[in-house]
Amino acid sequence: KAGVTQTPRYLIKTRGQQVTLSCSPISGHRSVSWYQQTPGQGLQFLFEYFSETQRNKGNFPGRFSGRQFSNSRSEMNVSTLELGDSALYLCASSRWAMNTEAFFGQGTRLTVV
Amino acid sequence: AQTVTQSQPEMSVQEAETVTLSCTYDTSESDYYLFWYKQPPSRQMILVIRQEAYKQQNATENRFSVNFQKAAKSFSLKISDSQLGDAAMYFCAYMDNYGQNFVFGPGTRLSVLP
Repeated sequence: KAGVTQTPRYLIKTRGQQVTLSCSPISGHRSVSWYQQTPGQGLQFLFEYFSETQRNKGNFPGRFSGRQFSNSRSEMNVSTLELGDSALYLCASSRWAMNTEAFFGQGTRLTVV
Repeated sequence: AQTVTQSQPEMSVQEAETVTLSCTYDTSESDYYLFWYKQPPSRQMILVIRQEAYKQQNATENRFSVNFQKAAKSFSLKISDSQLGDAAMYFCAYMDNYGQNFVFGPGTRLSVLP
């Protein structure tokens, strides 16, 4: 079966712009989590959605937001981009809310210039 | 707050040999989950092995096994018969029993030498 699909794979944006990243989970999975990976901060949890509701949120500013649709696909939005938002953004899906069996996508590499 | 520490930024191992990656964590919880994830150059995080804290038996998955020392808050990964495809970044991670507080360590880059 198809894995977790993230689009786009690469993105270049200008400081101050906004960006939307997409994540399509594995069929049947209802939980989607988002993570930011940078060389300096490592992997950090952004938020988790389960059945269209945000279940958890990490310690990120309000510029980072997300949503989940009825088909479990999720989008992450970052407004007023800063240079420090340049990172690999990973999403993971799991069947249930506790993502102990999480499957990751290949990520979206965002570069802010 | 929970923290995960991996004290070895880089490790190398000869093909077919055994290597152990270290991980320590800090938590006041008694029930939680620990993970080892592998991130190859393709960037996709792959779950290697998972351990439930309430289980005393160490988890194993083929060539991968862990040494879980709950009292010492230590969770090391042993890779036996190392293969070239094992070369990757390895992340140790902690999750509490409520599925929250998913915390990753800084990672260990493993090189496998032919």
